[in-house]
Amino acid sequence: EAGVTQFPSHSVIEKGQTVTLRCDPISGHDNLYWYRRVMGKEIKFLLHFVKESKQDESGMPNNRFLAERTGGTYSTLKVQPAELEDSGVYFCASSPWGQGARETQYFGPGTRLLVL
Amino acid sequence: GENVEQHPSTLSVQEGDSAVIKCTYSDSASNYFPWYKQELGKGPQLIIDIRSNVGEKKDQRIAVTLNKTAKHFSLHITETQPEDSAVYFCAATYNNNDMRFGAGTRLTVKP
Repeated sequence: EAGVTQFPSHSVIEKGQTVTLRCDPISGHDNLYWYRRVMGKEIKFLLHFVKESKQDESGMPNNRFLAERTGGTYSTLKVQPAELEDSGVYFCASSPWGQGARETQYFGPGTRLLVL
Repeated sequence: GENVEQHPSTLSVQEGDSAVIKCTYSDSASNYFPWYKQELGKGPQLIIDIRSNVGEKKDQRIAVTLNKTAKHFSLHITETQPEDSAVYFCAATYNNNDMRFGAGTRLTVKP
């Protein structure tokens, strides 16, 4: 069974540009999470989808970030316009339907974003 | 919101020694505490977890202990090997639905 995949693996963009990250969860997993890790700091929660609905988006930094999960399968996270402080590693994780975070979350390899 | 503190940030041990990483959490309703290992170029992978109805869990060379009264939990790795070198993250549930992570511990096992 394929794990969580993320695309691209790396992205280098200039301040003001737009970047879209994609996450494909494990097939059949209703829960999808986005996280971000800035160098040396914690893996910070961004938002949580249950199927196509946003369950919790309290971690989204500001309105420059837009996450979607149309159809309840893959998800995209768009940053527009990107700022220097958006640099970091963006992780996606998924888990089967059940008890939310009390289910094991399976992480993707991450997208390393560098904004110059 | 939930706050998870993790210590130390870096840990270096000699092969064969034990390593201990400690975390504290703030949400008394947290009831699930996983530990993740992140190797270079990969995403975090679950290595062990503990639920609030038990105080200790062991899986071969790794063990986790939980003290709900003090709101802290620890990861213990015995007989460390070079392949244990990685960044380890603790986490705790928040608001019964989401997870909050610690800042990570970079463990280096010297051969």
